Parts: sequence; C-alpha cells; structure tokens
Amino acid sequence: GAGVSQTPSNKVTEKGKYVELRCDPISGHTALYWYRQSLGQGPEFLIYFQGTGAADDSGLPNDRFFAVRPEGSVSTLKIQRTERGDSAVYLCASSLYGGNTNTEAFFGQGTRLTVV
Amino acid sequence: GQQLNQSPQSMFIQEGEDVSMNCTSSSIFNTWLWYKQDPGEGPVLLIALYKAGELTSNGRLTAQFGITRKDSFLNISASIPSDVGIYFCAGRINDYKLSFGAGTTVTVRA
Repeated sequence: GAGVSQTPSNKVTEKGKYVELRCDPISGHTALYWYRQSLGQGPEFLIYFQGTGAADDSGLPNDRFFAVRPEGSVSTLKIQRTERGDSAVYLCASSLYGGNTNTEAFFGQGTRLTVV
Repeated sequence: GQQLNQSPQSMFIQEGEDVSMNCTSSSIFNTWLWYKQDPGEGPVLLIALYKAGELTSNGRLTAQFGITRKDSFLNISASIPSDVGIYFCAGRINDYKLSFGAGTTVTVRA
C-alpha cells in the first residue's frame, strides 16, 4: 500500500482480555517499529524489527507484551491480560533500512486501545 | 529513554504570525527530527537535521540543529490555519531509536 496501515483503528477491550494489533508496513521496508503514545505525551519506543527478527525489544514494558513479524512484512503486537494502564495509541512505523542509515521512518495512523 | 524538554507546551497563533518552539536535552543527539501530528493520525516528518549547526527549511518551516547537539528549534513563518496540530521534536543518538518530546500544541487564537 501507499503508507503504513494499522488495524483496527480503535479497539475497546475488557481488563484481562488478550488483544492483537496489526501493522502493514510500506512495501519493501525492512525495518519496522512499534511505539506507544499515552495521552498528552510523545511516542515511546517499544520494539524494532530488522527483517523477521526483533533486533531490540528493550522498550516492551513487561512480559505481557510480545510482537512478531514472521515473514518480514506484517507485524502483530500482542498484549496478554490487558490492564487499564495499557490504554494508549499504539503506533507502527517502517523505514527502508534500519540502523544508523538516516532513512527516516513513516508512521501509521495508530490503533487506539482502550481497556475498560 | 532520553529526556527531551519541549517548550512551550502550548501556544496560540493568529494567522500571519511567526511562531517558534524548541527542544532541549541533557544528552547529545546525532539527529534531530521535527514531526507534526493531527488528531487521529500518526506523526508526519517535517524536517530532519543530521549535522550540528545545520539550518534546514521546508517551505515556511525552518529548523536548526544546535551547536551543542543538545537542542533544536523549529520556526513557522506566516502561520496559516492548517498549521494547528501537535508538533514533536525527536532525537536519535547512533541507532534507530527515537526519543520524543511531549509536544507543543498549536491552536488558533479566537
């Protein structure tokens, strides 16, 4: 597609449930990133994929969060046993290359997750 | 992550005014980026700066990478109504990870 696509746009879930958030990066982009944006704040880094592998998952807040990118394209962010504090906008971004190459990332529109 | 202090937190503009916002950090960055985010959308890159002292323009936008590598500013000249939104600075050291400021919210003065 033309840009980074994220689905769903909005997700409301009950506390304790499992959710999956999907990201379709720009075609041909090898690097993919997940960020989380709380209300009134800037995005915070969660995880970076280079190809199929998670090169850096140091931003994942705890082991309830997990992300995969099995074929080096679409990525899924998975959150188990959701808590109200997980409510935020989850942003996905992709770039042509990763690392220190000055190829900047393009962001999707985000998935707004609300845990009630 | 790295702490970026962005100011002002919010500002009101009147059409035609020049506006300025800045970002400071206690850490050195090798790249500074400025993004704009509209409601319900992801951040859109406005300007990227890669060298200390660099001054770069994109239309009515001008941004500078501070000499100390710990700060950057963004100017918008002759503001128009569609300039409203949230502006974020972001810094990167030597890898892929961006650290964002908390944003400057620009709204139109009634």
